[in-house]
Amino acid sequence: RKEVEQDPGPFNVPEGATVAFNCTYSNSASQSFFWYRQDCRKEPKLLMSVYSSGNEDGRFTAQLNRASQYISLLIRDSKLSDSATYLCVVNHQAGTALIFGKGTTLSVSS
Amino acid sequence: DVKVTQSSRYLVKRTGEKVFLECVQDMDHENMFWYRQDPGLGLRLIYFSYDVKMKEKGDIPEGYSVSREKKERFSLILESASTNQTSMYLCASSLSPTEQYFGPGTRLTVT
Repeated sequence: RKEVEQDPGPFNVPEGATVAFNCTYSNSASQSFFWYRQDCRKEPKLLMSVYSSGNEDGRFTAQLNRASQYISLLIRDSKLSDSATYLCVVNHQAGTALIFGKGTTLSVSS
Repeated sequence: DVKVTQSSRYLVKRTGEKVFLECVQDMDHENMFWYRQDPGLGLRLIYFSYDVKMKEKGDIPEGYSVSREKKERFSLILESASTNQTSMYLCASSLSPTEQYFGPGTRLTVT
């Protein structure tokens, strides 16, 4: 079983749509969780951390379910500029490297 | 702003050549990482380093080595390049093992 699994997509949505991405991780000892964004032919950049209580940053909401080992990212009112690949990332414990999912591709069209 | 730079954006090398990929960060980060990214396989960790002269193998270290003689510089070395090492190579640095800052990547083609 892969450590971090995501639906690769692509997700094709119109502007203004709400879209949700899911991610599961295999190691119950995972401690930190993130969503990174990678634009075409660019490097990944941190979008947001994911906290146990859930957190929101503008149109983006991240949720964590430790019992189910499941992470989600919700994007409301999608913009053309949201088109990118979204990477789910976990860290097992302090001092170890991050583990990246393969990414989910989002394409927002007008 | 954190800046991570990589020596080349595009590189073409021949099979059997020794290849050096350089990465420099300007934020005094202890941690530095080398990944390769391939379609359908995602980001895979090759090597990482938590301190000068210190290195740890990642998931796919075979065929690669690294050097970290100075805190700001982390080099990836392909001792004898092969065609299956054609890939996008991404360097990253971090202050803690949480947010990583990536360089722009080097697209290496081995012919």
